Amino acid sequence: ETGVTQSPTHLIKTRGQQVTLRCSSQSGHNTVSWYQQALGQGPQFIFQYYREEENGRGNFPPRFSGLQFPNYSSELNVNALELDDSALYLCASSLAGTDNNEKLFFGSGTQLSVL
Amino acid sequence: SQQGEEDPQALSIQEGENATMNCSYKTSINNLQWYRQNSGRGLVHLILIRSNEREKHSGRLRVTLDTSKKSSSLLITASRAADTASYFCATAVGYSSASKIIFGSGTRLSIRP
Repeated sequence: ETGVTQSPTHLIKTRGQQVTLRCSSQSGHNTVSWYQQALGQGPQFIFQYYREEENGRGNFPPRFSGLQFPNYSSELNVNALELDDSALYLCASSLAGTDNNEKLFFGSGTQLSVL
Repeated sequence: SQQGEEDPQALSIQEGENATMNCSYKTSINNLQWYRQNSGRGLVHLILIRSNEREKHSGRLRVTLDTSKKSSSLLITASRAADTASYFCATAVGYSSASKIIFGSGTRLSIRP
């Protein structure tokens, strides 16, 4: 158990809808990264939040947005859902500013299905 | 796009044998990590090797890093059925206090009893 929790665990939406996924980071961690993992593929970096600001973004369109709150929990929002957005969404926390800032602690993910 | 690419994509071996997975990456790195993922679950950190290290051990795991060839290998000795999982290499890019970790496409390892 990593201490990173994600909700919900499973979600079914229809094309065009909006979705919000939530993540509580491990106690003491100040950085949250979000990843999208399609079936049989590696996790693709969506973006990272550090001290409540976006600190880097992967190759995802603006309809993927996020927030980080003062308690370091985070949300991933996806607007205008498309069929290809169906995937496992993973949240990972880490502690920036230390020698181990690259070590990620993952939640179990949210499985999103877009119909 | 993926920073790292694992090879092979899939590997099936007999319990007790050694499993070797390779990773190649494209750009300069601060360090390289290996993670494991059981089916449909979150990833678990296994080991981190820094760019100035060549080899590192952790239990039954041995990782090597060759920065001149931009490649790394993960060796799992005396494999067990519980080692069945997907294994990913990951590289840290950027030099800010919060590095961005980019994953490869993974090797699916199956251990036959």
